[in-house]
Amino acid sequence: SQTIHQWPATLVQPVGSPLSLECTVEGTSNPNLYWYRQAAGRGLQLLFYSVGIGQISSEVPQNLSASRPQDRQFILSSKKLLLSDSGFYLCAWSMTSGYNEQFFGPGTRLTVL
Amino acid sequence: KQEVTQIPAALSVPEGENLVLNCSFTDSAIYNLQWFRQDPGKGLTSLLLIQSSQREQTSGRLNASLDKSSGRSTLYIAASQPGDSATYLCAVRRSSRAQKLVFGQGTRLTINP
Repeated sequence: SQTIHQWPATLVQPVGSPLSLECTVEGTSNPNLYWYRQAAGRGLQLLFYSVGIGQISSEVPQNLSASRPQDRQFILSSKKLLLSDSGFYLCAWSMTSGYNEQFFGPGTRLTVL
Repeated sequence: KQEVTQIPAALSVPEGENLVLNCSFTDSAIYNLQWFRQDPGKGLTSLLLIQSSQREQTSGRLNASLDKSSGRSTLYIAASQPGDSATYLCAVRRSSRAQKLVFGQGTRLTINP
């Protein structure tokens, strides 16, 4: 069976510091990968998705970037965090064929102070 | 632009009742619709996925229906239990090529023992 991991689970960072959140998927190959952010009162918003190694698509302009250095690894980064980057970050995966049902990880709670 | 609405935002019912959660979307041209459950501070758990060609899907005590023409989906929960307490989210996907899920704001469900 497939599992998806995210770390860290929680993170408190000062404004202006860098960020690196990691997501890995086990039990499947060549998945589609996604980063979402869930902010209070704003619902879930797709930030980035990737259909393959090194292929990143951005849904919204922002202070964040994403990378996919390996098939089942997806990284969310920032060089300088803003207060508005606070939120709950969720990684998800789906198969590249079929109905593309999306499966989510446990999330990372980021607080920028 | 697709918009997804879930009403009510919160619902509280006694244990054992059958209940219906609602999801409406503005653009009926969808590829599929997915229902999720989210416990406080946790990631999303996929409950059911309905393809645009389907009318309903069932899993255990859960039944999801889809009426594309009216832009509505319902999630029926039979014989509710306290463990069903969570936020329920619906999300729609525009096409097989589109990676983005558009989420509703969710319905926070509380089942009272």
